[in-house]
Amino acid sequence: GESVGLHLPTLSVQEGDNSIINCAYSNSASDYFIWYKQESGKGPQFIIDIRSNMDKRQGQRVTVLLNKTVKHLSLQIAATQPGDSAVYFCAENEGGADGLTFGKGTHLIIQP
Amino acid sequence: DAMVIQNPRYQVTQFGKPVTLSCSQTLNHNVMYWYQQKSSQAPKLLFHYYDKDFNNEADTPDNFQSRRPNTSFCFLDIRSPGLGDAAMYLCATSARRANTEAFFGQGTRLTVV
Repeated sequence: GESVGLHLPTLSVQEGDNSIINCAYSNSASDYFIWYKQESGKGPQFIIDIRSNMDKRQGQRVTVLLNKTVKHLSLQIAATQPGDSAVYFCAENEGGADGLTFGKGTHLIIQP
Repeated sequence: DAMVIQNPRYQVTQFGKPVTLSCSQTLNHNVMYWYQQKSSQAPKLLFHYYDKDFNNEADTPDNFQSRRPNTSFCFLDIRSPGLGDAAMYLCATSARRANTEAFFGQGTRLTVV
């Protein structure tokens, strides 16, 4: 069935570098996308969201890019810090459907 | 400041013994969700309530039930836990049914022995 997935299970970056976490989705009816950060033993925490009528949205140190043509979503984290170490999930909402469907997650590891 | 509160944080239950997990919210949101998250996997939606209207996902086993006695509280009942039900159970709320952020609690880690 259609689902949201991630390309890489683990991403290792140097502290201070920019991180880019990718996500592919297959449901063309999806019209809302969201990134969550989940630290070990905790619940997912909202980072940023984007609707399908946009292709870019910026927050504090984070940017989400949406390419509907190739069904691709990315999260960019600027100047990665040790506190950014976590698993990052993209999730999508199919228009009119209830609840979020999560991708597999990417574990971001920060190297000193 | 806690908005979605799950109790307990850790629960150990015996194989086959019914167990109930609790969730409360201070956001006054209409929608409450229960997700199951197994180790190194993504959260998977089990069911949700829109107000008092219960919505079950097609592949959620009958072993999982839920109750929502009022806006603030929602319970997850596992009637006969199996070893495969060991997981993190996440409660979440949202103001609307779709196209909106869901606010998650810290989860309950369930161990089945």
